[in-house]
Amino acid sequence: QSVLTQPPSVSGAPGQRVTISCTGSSSNIGSNYDVHWYQQLPGTAPKLLIYGNSNRPSGVPDRFSGSKSGTSASLAITGLQAEDEADYYCQSYDSSLSGSWVFGGGTKLTVL
Amino acid sequence: QVQLQESGPGLVKPSQTLSLTCTVSGGSISSGTYYWSWIRQPAGKGLEWIGRIYSSGSTNYNPSLKSRVTISVDTSKNQFSLKLSSVTAADTAVYYCARIAIRYYDSSGYFDYWGQGTLVTVSS
Repeated sequence: QSVLTQPPSVSGAPGQRVTISCTGSSSNIGSNYDVHWYQQLPGTAPKLLIYGNSNRPSGVPDRFSGSKSGTSASLAITGLQAEDEADYYCQSYDSSLSGSWVFGGGTKLTVL
Repeated sequence: QVQLQESGPGLVKPSQTLSLTCTVSGGSISSGTYYWSWIRQPAGKGLEWIGRIYSSGSTNYNPSLKSRVTISVDTSKNQFSLKLSSVTAADTAVYYCARIAIRYYDSSGYFDYWGQGTLVTVSS
């Protein structure tokens, strides 16, 4: 059971827009801790996609965007491409139990 | 460009101690703006944070693993290490080392660089 809740899967056709939600609680996202997103292509290590709720590292296309409100956050992908098919994880910090870095359970994005 | 590389045995017997080392290149592990962390991922499952260490040696562990985990740092070798004791089959996973970019205003942060991961299997 992950501390942050994500849908197990989402799908969309090429060119479409999809969103992935990430729901937390008052001890993590709701305590104003930032949410970060990672993309994991099959057989590879996760890669930082969005940091600080809505910032993209250098090299990440602007088709990827993030937002946060209250105890939840969202990752949006526009102009869906075949190479976007991957697992996506949200991550935050939880102030309970001496503080921990916490992840969502991951969302598998399928490009139809 | 910072690079992290995990190393260690790929097979560990049940009840024994899993030991891994992460070697950092392209940057100093003594930099004051980063934590150094271990994360694992069982096959087909999600990511689990194991713990983190600062260059001073201060640590913070996942409460669910705290009793079995030790993370240490060797700044002279630019390495940090993981020891997980009393392993069982449930500890079989790909283990990643990663760098945490610290957000000083709340001591949190995000994982900006990752190693490629190493599979550790617990089996007799």
